[in-house]
Amino acid sequence: KQEVTQIPAALSVPEGENLVLNCSFTDSAIYNLQWFRQDPGKGLTSLLLIQSSQREQTSGRLNASLDKSSGRSTLYIAASQPGDSATYLCAVRPTGSNYKLTFGKGTLLTVNP
Amino acid sequence: ETGVTQTPRHLVMGMTNKKSLKCEQHLGHNAMYWYKQSAKKPLELMFVYSLEERVENNSVPSRFSPECPNSSHLFLHLHTLQPEDSALYLCASSPSGRATEAFFGQGTRLTVV
Repeated sequence: KQEVTQIPAALSVPEGENLVLNCSFTDSAIYNLQWFRQDPGKGLTSLLLIQSSQREQTSGRLNASLDKSSGRSTLYIAASQPGDSATYLCAVRPTGSNYKLTFGKGTLLTVNP
Repeated sequence: ETGVTQTPRHLVMGMTNKKSLKCEQHLGHNAMYWYKQSAKKPLELMFVYSLEERVENNSVPSRFSPECPNSSHLFLHLHTLQPEDSALYLCASSPSGRATEAFFGQGTRLTVV
């Protein structure tokens, strides 16, 4: 059974710092991995999608990497801003299901001004 | 605003009530999903519809009844819920296919009293 773990559960940093969020998954048989952002009480906003054949994806100040064989992904946020404060979720789409996403519990990020 | 719209945003209902959650997507996707997000737990997939046919049903109690009348609309009918069903219910959509990106709505915050 696929399990996704995100460490740390919470992170507080001063504005301007570069930071890394970690995601690990137990089964490397995946189609892709997706990073989301969730503001309190709101839905999920897709940040980056990495296909299983890819090593990384970049969007603005965000860079996500994928090491499928070791079951790990990182989300790097450069020059963090208070507006980046949110919960960040990673999810994998296991092979064997065309539709199911398996989520971690998320990392709650607080960027202090 | 995303291309996936959920209504209502907040709902309080008694255990004997019947209510429905609505989801609408304008992205031209063929697959639609219901997820449940409870405090301190990862998102749980409830139902998946592809081309208006239910393709996944993850052991959800019968007091939750999904309906997908067309590829743009998805409903979740609620009947005789329990307080532990209080959660954020999220709708998502994606193109059909194994390696596609999922897009989420803003969610309905459900409280059962």
